[in-house]
Amino acid sequence: AQSVAQPEDQVNVAEGNPLTVKCTYSVSGNPYLFWYVQYPNRGLQFLLKYITGDNLVKGSYGFEAEFNKSQTSFHLKKPSALVSDSALYFCAVISGSGNTPLVFGKGTRLSVIA
Amino acid sequence: EPEVTQTPSHQVTQMGQEVILRCVPISNHLYFYWYRQILGQKVEFLVSFYNNEISEKSEIFDDQFSVERPDGSNFTLKIRSTKLEDSAMYFCASSEWRSAYEQYFGPGTRLTVT
Repeated sequence: AQSVAQPEDQVNVAEGNPLTVKCTYSVSGNPYLFWYVQYPNRGLQFLLKYITGDNLVKGSYGFEAEFNKSQTSFHLKKPSALVSDSALYFCAVISGSGNTPLVFGKGTRLSVIA
Repeated sequence: EPEVTQTPSHQVTQMGQEVILRCVPISNHLYFYWYRQILGQKVEFLVSFYNNEISEKSEIFDDQFSVERPDGSNFTLKIRSTKLEDSAMYFCASSEWRSAYEQYFGPGTRLTVT
C-alpha cells in the first residue's frame, strides 16, 4: 500500500532563512510525487511535481523539491523563506504503475517568523 | 486562470439527513475526485470519476455515498443519511488525466453534522 510520511507537524523558520519540509514515501512501482499548499480557508494549491527526469524540480513561488530514490524522499525546499509562505504543506504520492489514488501525508505547518 | 469551484462553502445538517455537495470542475478536465479532511487529520481519497462512472473508490466510500455528473459542468457528492462522523471538509478536484497529471482542488465545503 502507498503511504507518505511527513515527520514534522510544525516547522519554524526565520524570514530570509532557507526552509526544508520533509517527506518520505512508500509505493510499489515508480512514484509520482506532488507538493500542495493549503492557506487558511482555502483549498489545496498545487506547488510542484516529480514524474521523471531531473531529480530537482522547481515549482511555484520559488519552491523546489529534490527526489531521492535511495532515501525514498521528496523534501520541499526554498532558499529564502517569506512570511507569506506560512501555511500547511502536504506531500502526496501516486503510483505510476497502477490504478491507485493520490495518497497524502498528514501535513506540515510552516511558520515563517519576521 | 480556470479553477474548481464548490458550493456551498459551509453546510450544517442534522444527523440522518441527506446532503448534496456540488462542484464545478475545470472545463477541459476528464477526471474528477472527491476527498475529505476531518479536522486535524490528513486528506483522504473518497472516489474518482471518469467517463460518467466511478473509476476508483476507497473503503470510506460506502453505500451512503454516491456521485453524479448530472450535466456537462457539475459534479456532485451525495451523502444519503449523514452521521456525526461525516463532519469534515470535502474537497473536489479535477485533472486532465490521471496519475502524472496534477489535480486541481476546489476551496472545499465544510460539512457539519449535528
